[in-house]
Amino acid sequence: EAQVTQNPRYLITVTGKKLTVTCSQNMNHEYMSWYRQDPGLGLRQIYYSMNVEVTDKGDVPEGYKVSRKEKRNFPLILESPSPNQTSLYFCASSLSRGQGSNQPQHFGDGTRLSIL
Amino acid sequence: AQSVAQPEDQVNVAEGNPLTVKCTYSVSGNPYLFWYVQYPNRGLQFLLKYITGDNLVKGSYGFEAEFNKSQTSFHLKKPSALVSDSALYFCAVLNEKLTFGTGTRLTIIP
Repeated sequence: EAQVTQNPRYLITVTGKKLTVTCSQNMNHEYMSWYRQDPGLGLRQIYYSMNVEVTDKGDVPEGYKVSRKEKRNFPLILESPSPNQTSLYFCASSLSRGQGSNQPQHFGDGTRLSIL
Repeated sequence: AQSVAQPEDQVNVAEGNPLTVKCTYSVSGNPYLFWYVQYPNRGLQFLLKYITGDNLVKGSYGFEAEFNKSQTSFHLKKPSALVSDSALYFCAVLNEKLTFGTGTRLTIIP
């Protein structure tokens, strides 16, 4: 089954404790992206990757890191989490590599992070 | 800068009635437009997209959307609502990047 898998689905942690949210897709997609969803703000892009070893900042990259060492994986790293990073996070992938591609994005089921 | 607006946070419709979820956009050039749906505890799922051509686009689950260039709108519609259509709906516009609206919660009342 074609899917984007995120782990963990839920995490409660404390300020400053490094964490990683993993994302893996099995569709051989070149493009992957991370979003955060906050009430009243919709989805905002954090980082995206157009291919292996190619990453770039989205609209709200501060406090986050990403890496793309393999095509299927695109982990999101919070080096020193803070309470304002409490949010619902989504990983997405699509077939085409461009930000301007009209290919639909496939989303994971989300990771709810609470930073105390 | 591009933007997309969903003017209604919440829309309530009786089961069996037609439904409309509104979306307007602002972008230079010709946009690509999308609708996504989000069910509880799930990620967004693609419903339909407008690229070019016919202004009425048909998508999944009986949904359709009408592109109106003069009004810069892309409203989502369905002729007869089902309780299972209750979800959060996002409009998105693609130009140099994909920008999402803030979402509209659709509740279908039995």
